[in-house]
Amino acid sequence: KAGVTQTPRYLIKTRGQQVTLSCSPISGHRSVSWYQQTPGQGLQFLFEYFSETQRNKGNFPGRFSGRQFSNSRSEMNVSTLELGDSALYLCASSLDPGTEQYFGPGTRLTVT
Amino acid sequence: AQSVTQLGSHVSVSEGALVLLRCNYSSSVPPYLFWYVQYPNQGLQLLLKYTTGATLVKGINGFEAEFKKSETSFHLTKPSAHMSDAAEYFCAVSGRGGTSYGKLTFGQGTILTVHP
Repeated sequence: KAGVTQTPRYLIKTRGQQVTLSCSPISGHRSVSWYQQTPGQGLQFLFEYFSETQRNKGNFPGRFSGRQFSNSRSEMNVSTLELGDSALYLCASSLDPGTEQYFGPGTRLTVT
Repeated sequence: AQSVTQLGSHVSVSEGALVLLRCNYSSSVPPYLFWYVQYPNQGLQLLLKYTTGATLVKGINGFEAEFKKSETSFHLTKPSAHMSDAAEYFCAVSGRGGTSYGKLTFGQGTILTVHP
């Protein structure tokens, strides 16, 4: 069974731009979560989607948003990029909320 | 609110030596507990988890962890380190219900170095 895939793997953007990251969960998994990883703040929860609904949200500004499609694939969007948004963005999928999460390789975003 | 503390941001051992990575959590009720490993330029891989039942949990690659409620700890051990164990290890918790259910809260990570 294929694992969690994330595209693109690497991205370079300029301050003020917006970006969309994509995540395809493991087949049959219905829940997708997103995490941000930075050297200073570590791993932080962004949000979780289940059945196309945002079920949980972390403490991030409204510039960070996401959605989930009917096939469970998910996207996250960051608008008006800031230098501090440079990070590794990890997507994790699970069968249902609360079950074990399997992580993708991440998208490394660099904001210049 | 839940929190996780990993004692020691860097741990160095010799190949063949015992690996001990420490994790303590803070939660109003015992949470679900996890250990993940991250190799350079990769995502996180689940090593083991504790949800209920036996407090000694065995995971992949010879790792195990013991849940000690009285000490609010979930330390990770491996009897004999291999060079391939060199990576960053994260302890994480999630709640059993409410808004923290399914939301992983991570420790700051421990980088394990294995010397020949």
